[in-house]
Amino acid sequence: GDSVTQMEGPVTLSEEAFLTINCTYTATGYPSLFWYVQYPGEGLQLLLKATKADDKGSNKGFEATYRKETTSFHLEKGSVQVSDSAVYFCALSDRGSNTGKLIFGQGTTLQVKP
Amino acid sequence: AAGVIQSPRHLIKEKRETATLKCYPIPRHDTVYWYQQGPGQDPQFLISFYEKMQSDKGSIPDRFSAQQFSDYHSELNMSSLELGDSALYFCASSLAGGLTDTQYFGPGTRLTVL
Repeated sequence: GDSVTQMEGPVTLSEEAFLTINCTYTATGYPSLFWYVQYPGEGLQLLLKATKADDKGSNKGFEATYRKETTSFHLEKGSVQVSDSAVYFCALSDRGSNTGKLIFGQGTTLQVKP
Repeated sequence: AAGVIQSPRHLIKEKRETATLKCYPIPRHDTVYWYQQGPGQDPQFLISFYEKMQSDKGSIPDRFSAQQFSDYHSELNMSSLELGDSALYFCASSLAGGLTDTQYFGPGTRLTVL
């Protein structure tokens, strides 16, 4: 079945460092891809999405490009802030179902130190 | 903008008791999804509804049931609670639940079974 694999965390960076969180997926067909962020004690917030190959999603300085050839959707940010500390989930919509249910990666914890 | 509302936010129950979680989707959204997130884990899809009919089912125990009402709100009923049911339960909603429709998540209900 469809699946998502993320790099393991925690990832610890200093403020203003460059961030990459790797995400690869296995899917039949061409799913939509998402990054969600979960701040401590809160729910999941959509960070960005891409619906087809070569699309780039971006929001709040974060970017990710849908790469069909490498089945990847890596999250990047040029300069992280302490307020970016959170858990980041990569997800795909399951085209095997007709409802678009989401399949999540295991999450990557980001800690940004001042 | 209106968001997904979940109630209660926190719930403490004893083993073998029942619990009811409620979800109020974003106005005009017709699709509701339920996910379960165990401690330190990624969210797992439980069940979804489109236009008040069950549209998809995931790894939901037989002890759980759910429905979507005429006003599109949804309830997740959990009986014979077990310690392993302790988790964060998310509801998400979307419009015409499909493969590129974004799911918007509520803040979650944290269920603790003692």
